[in-house]
Amino acid sequence: NFVLTQPHSVSESPGKTVTISCTRPSGNIASKSVQWYQQRPGSAPTNVIYEDKERPSGVPDRFSGSIDSSSNSASLTISGLKTEDEADYYCQSYDGGNMVFGGGTKLTVL
Amino acid sequence: EVQLVESGGGLVKSGGSLRLSCAASGFIFSSFEMIWVRQAPGRGLEWVSYISGRGSVMYYADSVKGRFTISRDNAQSSLYLQMNRLRAEDTAVYYCARDFGRPGIPDRADYWGQGTLVTVFS
Repeated sequence: NFVLTQPHSVSESPGKTVTISCTRPSGNIASKSVQWYQQRPGSAPTNVIYEDKERPSGVPDRFSGSIDSSSNSASLTISGLKTEDEADYYCQSYDGGNMVFGGGTKLTVL
Repeated sequence: EVQLVESGGGLVKSGGSLRLSCAASGFIFSSFEMIWVRQAPGRGLEWVSYISGRGSVMYYADSVKGRFTISRDNAQSSLYLQMNRLRAEDTAVYYCARDFGRPGIPDRADYWGQGTLVTVFS
């Protein structure tokens, strides 16, 4: 199975923009789609980005996803940060019959 | 409205068994693949198992292969996870989720339940 590596934590001020990376050390990040999930404290995860850059219905356009083949990484960018965006964020991909999650990034909005 | 409600969690002694259930509503259950994902206390998400819409294809994480069995009852719109030979490291909140991606593989979870806590003690 492959691994997805995320920074343990990031922080930024309200109104600013933050980017969370998700790196695949081995294998091609672009070969399978990447999803992103938000998990607020005490709640179940919710899907905020699917198929690298698509937003599910109801997710604000402040959330965007991208793939950078040169660094073999995916990114989640949140613009116009709000205090309600404070949460853990997980990237996820798959290969064959395995689904793989990144270790998660704690976003602090302060 | 899509709803997934897990049940069956609890306290179990190491080496014991537990069966989790997930009641689905608000969508045509048999048309969707389903997965189980778990989260140990203070830790990240870990995919556990996948089952196809008809229940003919199943996949498991290496950490549970041979101990856990996923199944479904489409007539009852229910998903199950039979967990045997439980270990302390299986302690986690277990979520059921709907898989809404390419057929035949676990690739994307769009709706999640609220989870049920399984605690394995020695």
